[in-house]
Formats: sequence, C-alpha cells, structure tokens
Amino acid sequence: AQSVTQLGSHVSVSEGALVLLRCNYSSSVPPYLFWYVQYPNQGLQLLLKYTSAATLVKGINGFEAEFKKSETSFHLTKPSAHMSDAAEYFCAVSEASSGGTASKLTFGTGTRLQVTL
Amino acid sequence: KAGVTQTPRYLIKTRGQQVTLSCSPISGHRSVSWYQQTPGQGLQFLFEYFSETQRNKGNFPGRFSGRQFSNSRSEMNVSTLELGDSALYLCASSSVGPGYEQYFGPGTRLTVT
Repeated sequence: AQSVTQLGSHVSVSEGALVLLRCNYSSSVPPYLFWYVQYPNQGLQLLLKYTSAATLVKGINGFEAEFKKSETSFHLTKPSAHMSDAAEYFCAVSEASSGGTASKLTFGTGTRLQVTL
Repeated sequence: KAGVTQTPRYLIKTRGQQVTLSCSPISGHRSVSWYQQTPGQGLQFLFEYFSETQRNKGNFPGRFSGRQFSNSRSEMNVSTLELGDSALYLCASSSVGPGYEQYFGPGTRLTVT
C-alpha cells in the first residue's frame, strides 16, 4: 500500500519568507502525487500534481514542488509567503483502483501553515 | 464550469438514525469518490464509483454505503449513526483513469449527538 508522510504538523513563517512544506511518499510503482490546500470550513483545492512529465511542477498561487525519486520526496515550496497562504496543506498519492478505472487518494496528515507579520 | 456541489452543507443527527448525503460532480466527470475527514483520523477514503458501480472501497464498516446514478451524481448513506461518525464528508469528482486530479466539493459537516 502506498503512504504519505508529512513532516511537521505546524509550520510558522513570516510574511515574505520562504515556505517549505515537506512530503515523503512510499510507493512500489511510479506514483502520482498531489498537493491540496484547505481553508477553514472549505473543501480541498488542488495546488499542483506530479504525473512524471517533469520533476519540477508549478502550481497555482506561486507554489511549486519538486519530485525527487532518490529521496522519495515531493516537497512544496513558495519563495515568498503571503498572509492569504495561511491554511492546511495536504500531500496525497494516488493508486489505481483494482478496476483500473479511477484513482484512490491516500493523504498525509496535513501541515498547518501560519503566516505572521 | 460549475464545481462539485454537495448537499446539505450541515446536518445534525441523533445516534441510531440514518443519513443520506448527495454529491453532484463537475460536468463531464464520471468518477466520484467520497472521503471522511476527522481531527483524529485525518482524510480517509470511503469509496469510489464509476458507471454506477463501486470500483474501490476503503476500510469502513458496512453501515457506510453509496451509489451512483446514470448522470454520475452520487449519494452516500450512513445507517445506525454513531458519535464517531461526526465528520466532514467530502465528495470528489474526476475524469477516469489513474493520475487524473480529483476536484473536491465543499463537504457536508455531519454532527451526531
């Protein structure tokens, strides 16, 4: 079974500072990897995804993530944090269902990002 | 395109009752998945439907069930509610096939008293 580990349940950065949220995955086959963001009382919004086309993936709101197979990592970064980035971030890996028709997402435990002035 | 919609947004039920939650996927998406989110267990996969058939199921008791209609809309049902069923239930839709991103609705917040 695939799994995801997010190091750090809470991360605090100053506005304008670098954001780095860590994600490591476990997979026996090349994975599909995703980052989602969740704002209070809302669903999940897709930030970006990796599907083997390129190791550096750019997403929305200035976020990007780099796939490193040797480290089994898919860390999320943003050069300069904004107050509006405060939210919970989830890394997820997908595995094909037994029917091969769709995918099940396995999520990490999430990292709550706090942005301070 | 309209996003994934879920109804109702909030629900309060009593232990022992049953509940039905509804999800309308993004137009053109034929796969619908359901997830449960709780502070203690995080985000957990419930089940996935495509072509009105359950394709995959998570590790939940049989009290949790679902179905999908020919227009891809989906419902999930929880019978004999327990306090531990209090959670945010999220529906996601996607195109069919591994690697396609899933788009989530706003969720239904279920409180069991």
